[in-house]
Amino acid sequence: AQSVAQPEDQVNVAEGNPLTVKCTYSVSGNPYLFWYVQYPNRGLQFLLKYITGDNLVKGSYGFEAEFNKSQTSFHLKKPSALVSDSALYFCAVRDIQDFNKFYFGSGTKLNVKP
Amino acid sequence: DAGVTQSPTHLIKTRGQHVTLRCSPISGHKSVSWYQQVLGQGPQFIFQYYEKEERGRGNFPDRFSARQFPNYSSELNVNALLLGDSALYLCASSLSSRDRSYEQYFGPGTRLTVT
Repeated sequence: AQSVAQPEDQVNVAEGNPLTVKCTYSVSGNPYLFWYVQYPNRGLQFLLKYITGDNLVKGSYGFEAEFNKSQTSFHLKKPSALVSDSALYFCAVRDIQDFNKFYFGSGTKLNVKP
Repeated sequence: DAGVTQSPTHLIKTRGQHVTLRCSPISGHKSVSWYQQVLGQGPQFIFQYYEKEERGRGNFPDRFSARQFPNYSSELNVNALLLGDSALYLCASSLSSRDRSYEQYFGPGTRLTVT
């Protein structure tokens, strides 16, 4: 079965500092990985995806993610955090065999302090 | 272009009742998926529909059902509501269900409270 894990419930970072939100995956085959962000009382917004190709994927709002096959990780990164980045972040993987299914992690709350 | 829309925004129901949630996908999108997000957890996949046919089903009881209409909008129905059904129900649309590179776009959700 495919799955993703987000080991940190919460990440705290000061504005202007780099941020990393961690995600590890477990899939049998090549993974299709996604990052979404959720603001309070809102649906999920797509940030970026890894399908194939370059291991460093660039997405919306200055976010990027690094795919690491040997460590089965897909960490979300941003060089300089903004207070407005404070939100709930979800990593997701698409099922290899039944690609109509997405599996989401439990989410990581990012707090960016001024 | 309008994004994914869902109605109603909030809903309060009593145990044993049934509920119907509605979703309109982004124009041109033919695939609709439904997710349940319990407070403090990630979304859990319920159903996926493409071209009016069910293409995927998650581990939810038969009390949960859905359908897709010719205009690609969708309804999620839940019968015999339980307290544990209280959650944010998210609808997501995508261009196709056949290309696994396509991302999904989510609506704002319907907050269901069962008392």
